[in-house]
Amino acid sequence: DADVTQTPRNRITKTGKRIMLECSQTKGHDRMYWYRQDPGLGLRLIYYSFDVKDINKGEISDGYSVSRQAQAKFSLSLESAIPNQTALYFCATSEGGLEQFFGPGTRLTVL
Amino acid sequence: ILNVEQSPQSLHVQEGDSTNFTCSFPSSNFYALHWYRWETAKSPEALFVMTLNGDEKKKGRISATLNTKEGYSYLYIKGSQPEDSATYLCAFRYGNNRLAFGKGNQVVVIP
Repeated sequence: DADVTQTPRNRITKTGKRIMLECSQTKGHDRMYWYRQDPGLGLRLIYYSFDVKDINKGEISDGYSVSRQAQAKFSLSLESAIPNQTALYFCATSEGGLEQFFGPGTRLTVL
Repeated sequence: ILNVEQSPQSLHVQEGDSTNFTCSFPSSNFYALHWYRWETAKSPEALFVMTLNGDEKKKGRISATLNTKEGYSYLYIKGSQPEDSATYLCAFRYGNNRLAFGKGNQVVVIP
């Protein structure tokens, strides 16, 4: 079983819809992250959380919100999706500042 | 926004040949340099985490070196095989344990 899972794996939605992407981990790591990947760009950090009570904005947080429901769960919401949020989204976890472990990704298309 | 540059962006290598590519990063406020391997349709997987100037890491036929004073790291693949085809990502760890990713080095090994 995968240590970091993401649901859904693929999603097509329309402009203005609210979307939630979910991430769960069984690694017992304290830190969780959300990134997006666009063609021709590196992975960019959206939000990150160092524990359940800690939420921090990354470099591109506008238009997104997150919730750390438990140590193992970190969800990303798009309150009102727009086409330029079409991207591949990755969740990742780490123990302290060590290497990050990535989920399989969610491909989101906003029409 | 931190500038992490990887070159070349893509390269084709004949099976059996060795190759290398470069990651350039800010030489100040250095915490660590991460290398990830990302195969198509899979999650990025950690290869190395490098923290000390002069560090050299090796995993099988892949190795990496680090120069924090001048701000670069080299990744080497010795005797390339088709299974080495992937995108190799470097990431610079900075304040609050965040990672700034480069755009990646896409490697295609030709049988």
